[in-house]
Amino acid sequence: DAKTTQPPSMDCAEGRAANLPCNHSTISGNEYVYWYRQIHSQGPQYIIHGLKNNETNEMASLIITEDRKSSTLILPHATLRDTAVYYCIVSGYSGNTPLVFGKGTRLSVIA
Amino acid sequence: DTAVSQTPKYLVTQMGNDKSIKCEQNLGHDTMYWYKQDSKKFLKIMFSYNNKELIINETVPNRFSPKSPDKAHLNLHINSLELGDSAVYFCASSLAGGNYEQYFGPGTRLTVT
Repeated sequence: DAKTTQPPSMDCAEGRAANLPCNHSTISGNEYVYWYRQIHSQGPQYIIHGLKNNETNEMASLIITEDRKSSTLILPHATLRDTAVYYCIVSGYSGNTPLVFGKGTRLSVIA
Repeated sequence: DTAVSQTPKYLVTQMGNDKSIKCEQNLGHDTMYWYKQDSKKFLKIMFSYNNKELIINETVPNRFSPKSPDKAHLNLHINSLELGDSAVYFCASSLAGGNYEQYFGPGTRLTVT
């Protein structure tokens, strides 16, 4: 079972920041927080991941609380192409570890 | 260049048939996976292979048999197809031994009639 809880859906105006929350209160010390998204019926796409420090890349920023029990994915300037289901996943250190997907958050970016 | 490719993209077949789905990655990754996404959109791991060896089999019926002829390929053969096998199957790959992201293929939509 997924170890994360996310709101089922969110709306965001185009050009505004989209802030997607995730709760992972049972996360272990060596587990990372990963974010993936699935646009329509395409294959899931990796966005970002982190352990305890905030992370930023060209797609998004990841803010992890100090107690690591929750995190927020930030898309700084959402576009219509960011409409997708966003999955927050807690996963162990090993690169062999399969991802356990929950239900995710369906983000709708509105013009 | 496509990183992870799957063939075919669509597969329609009748119950009882045997079919295969092929997956290839050109990323030089060590680990490959098969995931299944059912009609309710839940994505679930089926198999994981590392360097051609099976490392995870998540209680998948033995009608499903993955085959990895080399590190770059992981094929999925399904015997005696059932209606409940209808789903989208995604192949993925990653480097091994660390916190590396997984790259997914475009999916194969299997419809069993």
